[in-house]
Amino acid sequence: ELKVEQNPLFLSMQEGKNYTIYCNYSTTSDRLYWYRQDPGKSLESLFVLLSNGAVKQEGRLMASLDTKARLSTLHITAAVHDLSATYFCAVDKSRQLTFGSGTQLTVLP
Amino acid sequence: KAGVTQTPRYLIKTRGQQVTLSCSPISGHRSVSWYQQTPGQGLQFLFEYFSETQRNKGNFPGRFSGRQFSNSRSEMNVSTLELGDSALYLCASSLTGGIVYEQYFGPGTRLTVT
Repeated sequence: ELKVEQNPLFLSMQEGKNYTIYCNYSTTSDRLYWYRQDPGKSLESLFVLLSNGAVKQEGRLMASLDTKARLSTLHITAAVHDLSATYFCAVDKSRQLTFGSGTQLTVLP
Repeated sequence: KAGVTQTPRYLIKTRGQQVTLSCSPISGHRSVSWYQQTPGQGLQFLFEYFSETQRNKGNFPGRFSGRQFSNSRSEMNVSTLELGDSALYLCASSLTGGIVYEQYFGPGTRLTVT
């Protein structure tokens, strides 16, 4: 059974600081995704990572994938309040997404 | 291009009743997946439909069922509702070809069972 573990589950950080969210998964996978969810809203796709060593960046967020270590990271650079949300990683095995528990990020002024 | 739409957005039902939720995928998308999100269990995969056939099923009881129509629209049904079925139900659509299998999520239907 595929397991996906995210840490930390909760993260408070000050504006301007950097931090990394980690996503470990237990078996080989086809693809890895990062999503953002604002309170009461649906999931917004952030990144799709397809292969070992893949790195994608969008604004202050950068995601990477190490398939050998079964690890993906989401790095936040110089956080701003607008980044406050819950971030999920999800692993795709045969078109079925298994999600991590989510990281609730709060960026404080 | 219009996104994934789900109806209704909010629903209140009583224990023992049944409910039907609807999902219209992005135009051209033929795969529809359903997920349940609860504070306790997080996001869990329910099932996936493609060309009117269920291709994948998650670990949910038989009270949860679905179907897909020829226009790719999908419905899910929950019978004999339990309090624990209160959740946000999300549907996601995707193209089936190509290397990038990306799922686009709808706004969800929030179901409350009393």
